[in-house]
Amino acid sequence: AQSVAQPEDQVNVAEGNPLTVKCTYSVSGNPYLFWYVQYPNRGLQFLLKYITGDNLVKGSYGFEAEFNKSQTSFHLKKPSALVSDSALYFCAARGENRDDKIIFGKGTRLHILP
Amino acid sequence: GAGVSQSPSNKVTEKGKDVELRCDPISGHTALYWYRQSLGQGLEFLIYFQGNSAPDKSGLPSDRFSAERTGGSVSTLTIQRTQQEDSAVYLCASSFRPRGIGEKLFFGSGTQLSVL
Repeated sequence: AQSVAQPEDQVNVAEGNPLTVKCTYSVSGNPYLFWYVQYPNRGLQFLLKYITGDNLVKGSYGFEAEFNKSQTSFHLKKPSALVSDSALYFCAARGENRDDKIIFGKGTRLHILP
Repeated sequence: GAGVSQSPSNKVTEKGKDVELRCDPISGHTALYWYRQSLGQGLEFLIYFQGNSAPDKSGLPSDRFSAERTGGSVSTLTIQRTQQEDSAVYLCASSFRPRGIGEKLFFGSGTQLSVL
């Protein structure tokens, strides 16, 4: 069965420091991986995706994510956090079969401290 | 419309009543998902429609839940005999899924369901 795990319910980072939000996955075959963000009182927004190619993918708002096949991980990163990055972050994945569905982790709340 | 539209935005109902939640996806999008967001539970998959394929209903929590998608467009999620544990935000998302390419989802604003 497919699954996505986000081991941290909450991550606190000081403004200006690098941040990492962790994600591991289990899907059939080659994975398609995603990160979404939910700002307070706003809908879910796409941040970035990994399909194939470079293991480091870049997305919106200066975020990037690193795909590690051996560790089945897709951690979200940013070199220098902003207070405005405070939000709820969701990792998502699906398998390579055409009819595979996208499933999400439980989310990680990111607090950037000024 | 420009985005995924869900209605109503808020629904308050009494325990035991039936409710219908509606989703209008982006025109031309072949894939449509329903998810449920509860505090501490993240985004729980409910059901997935993809083109003319049979829907993936594996996430529906009980037989009180059902969904249909008419004409490959509008979808309705129906919850019969609602229970208090059904209270949550129900999110709809759609995407265009060309073969072999990972697509991104476009989400609606959700329906906040409160069962009293």
